[in-house]
Amino acid sequence: GAVVSQHPSRVICKSGTSVKIECRSLDFQATTMFWYRQFPKQSLMLMATSNEGSKATYEQGVEKDKFLINHASLTLSTLTVTSAHPEDSSFYICSARDGGEKLFFGSGTQLSVL
Amino acid sequence: GQQLNQSPQSMFIQEGEDVSMNCTSSSIFNTWLWYKQDPGEGPVLLIALYKAGELTSNGRLTAQFGITRKDSFLNISASIPSDVGIYFCAGHSYYGQNFVFGPGTRLSVLP
Repeated sequence: GAVVSQHPSRVICKSGTSVKIECRSLDFQATTMFWYRQFPKQSLMLMATSNEGSKATYEQGVEKDKFLINHASLTLSTLTVTSAHPEDSSFYICSARDGGEKLFFGSGTQLSVL
Repeated sequence: GQQLNQSPQSMFIQEGEDVSMNCTSSSIFNTWLWYKQDPGEGPVLLIALYKAGELTSNGRLTAQFGITRKDSFLNISASIPSDVGIYFCAGHSYYGQNFVFGPGTRLSVLP
């Protein structure tokens, strides 16, 4: 299957700092990428849909100024958690649509804010 | 909005047993995807289904696209310890950009 690379896999930061997470589709072009948040033992919660070259569409309740998404190319989307606080600690996962009807996921980023 | 239900929520089985789980929706989907997630990892695509009634296998896994297009089933035969994880279904309709995910079925395999 197609490969989606997500980095970093784990990050620990101090409260008030910003963290950037990268999501790359390695062997296909992804016009649409998705960002999710997952709490322990829960399902995936869609945060935003990212379309190449346009502004991301955020789900209700997700602060766009807090979670900045950039999809500058067909193979790269980034999520920046700005001014991170302990309540932002979570597992963040990206996925990319292959142009058809399949969705491939990155390996996730565990964010811990101290 | 669209929602998916997965059953059972969790299951404990003996190694070697077969497993069945399902995913149901109140609305019609045109694509069903099944994923497995290991702890601390992203979900991995197991099987994709595109047509009502379609039956697709991937090794010991078999999934079916329900005739009503409102449900899908996943079976695992002769379970092994590495089958442990959370299994998610996802549905997609022509009218939505996003895929809708179920809450997952947590599988534990006892040796």
